[in-house]
Amino acid sequence: DAGVTQSPTHLIKTRGQHVTLRCSPISGHKSVSWYQQVLGQGPQFIFQYYEKEERGRGNFPDRFSARQFPNYSSELNVNALLLGDSALYLCASSSTWDVGQPQHFGDGTRLSIL
Amino acid sequence: DAKTTQPPSMDCAEGRAANLPCNHSTISGNEYVYWYRQIHSQGPQYIIHGLKNNETNEMASLIITEDRKSSTLILPHATLRDTAVYYCIVSNDYKLSFGAGTTVTVRA
Repeated sequence: DAGVTQSPTHLIKTRGQHVTLRCSPISGHKSVSWYQQVLGQGPQFIFQYYEKEERGRGNFPDRFSARQFPNYSSELNVNALLLGDSALYLCASSSTWDVGQPQHFGDGTRLSIL
Repeated sequence: DAKTTQPPSMDCAEGRAANLPCNHSTISGNEYVYWYRQIHSQGPQYIIHGLKNNETNEMASLIITEDRKSSTLILPHATLRDTAVYYCIVSNDYKLSFGAGTTVTVRA
């Protein structure tokens, strides 16, 4: 069975540009979460979506936004890119948003800002 | 903020059991203990989770103390491919708060 897939795998942008990252969850999973992992640190929670609604948001500026589609895939959008946005962006899916359901991660999109 | 304390690093010998400790002294009654690992350049991989009882799956065993203030992840027969950063996380909702984890190096 296919796991969580993310695209693209690598991306280079310049300051001020915007970027869209994509995620396809495991088949049957309705919850998608996004995390940012800066080099040398653990992942930090950005958003969670369940049934196309935002269920949670981490401590990130409004430049970060996301949405979930009817097929449960998701996009993360970042506007006005800053050098500090350089990171590995991870998507995770789970069957529900209930506590006790493990999240399964993709291998991420590595975003580099020049 | 992470609610767990883990040693920053540990070594273990290939073929031997690896016992990874985690302290979560402020855990609340409805918080689960999750373990993930991250191999370089990959996303975190789910290993196991539990609430009160000890758990075992094909990858590992999770031992939770009776007072739930600490736990141990056991990799029964470590291989070189188990070299990774291991994260212990406590959570009662959708958000996983990752700390620095334990860098485990399996040596031949």
